[in-house]
Amino acid sequence: GNSVTQMEGPVTLSEEAFLTINCTYTATGYPSLFWYVQYPGEGLQLLLKATKADDKGSNKGFEATYRKETTSFHLEKGSVQVSDSAVYFCALRSIQGAQKLVFGQGTRLTINP
Amino acid sequence: DSGVTQTPKHLITATGQRVTLRCSPRSGDLSVYWYQQSLDQGLQFLIQYYNGEERAKGNILERFSAQQFPDLHSELNLSSLELGDSALYFCASSVGGSGGPTQETQYFGPGTRLLVL
Repeated sequence: GNSVTQMEGPVTLSEEAFLTINCTYTATGYPSLFWYVQYPGEGLQLLLKATKADDKGSNKGFEATYRKETTSFHLEKGSVQVSDSAVYFCALRSIQGAQKLVFGQGTRLTINP
Repeated sequence: DSGVTQTPKHLITATGQRVTLRCSPRSGDLSVYWYQQSLDQGLQFLIQYYNGEERAKGNILERFSAQQFPDLHSELNLSSLELGDSALYFCASSVGGSGGPTQETQYFGPGTRLLVL
């Protein structure tokens, strides 16, 4: 079945550091890929998405590129801020069958000033 | 604000009890999805409704049931509650729900935090 694997957390960085959170997936066909963010005490917010190979999703300085050859969708940001502290979830949605989202386990990110 | 509303925000109850969680989708969205977020299982899909009809089922226990009403709001009913049912329950909505090239985005509500004592 479909699955998503994220890098183990927690991740702690200093402000203005470069961020990478790795995400790889297993799926049949060509799923859509998403990054959601969950700030403390809040629900899930869509951060960015990509629907086909080589697409780059971007939002709020974050970027991720859909890499079919490596089945990856790594999240990157060039200079993180304290306000980026949150839990980040990588997810996929198959274009066939049920339209459910399959999530990775989440990566907790803490940015220190 | 995603436009998806969920009530109540918090719920504390005892084992063996029954609770109902409510979700109102974004205006114009026909699909509603329910997800459970727990420490041991992570985020898991429970069930999807599209325009009043059940569309897909995930890891939903037989003690749990859901429905979507004509006004498109949805309710998730949890019965014979156990300690392990304590979790954050999210509702999400999307415009459609049949997939295809449009690849609709699911927008999540703030969740209902259930604590079973």
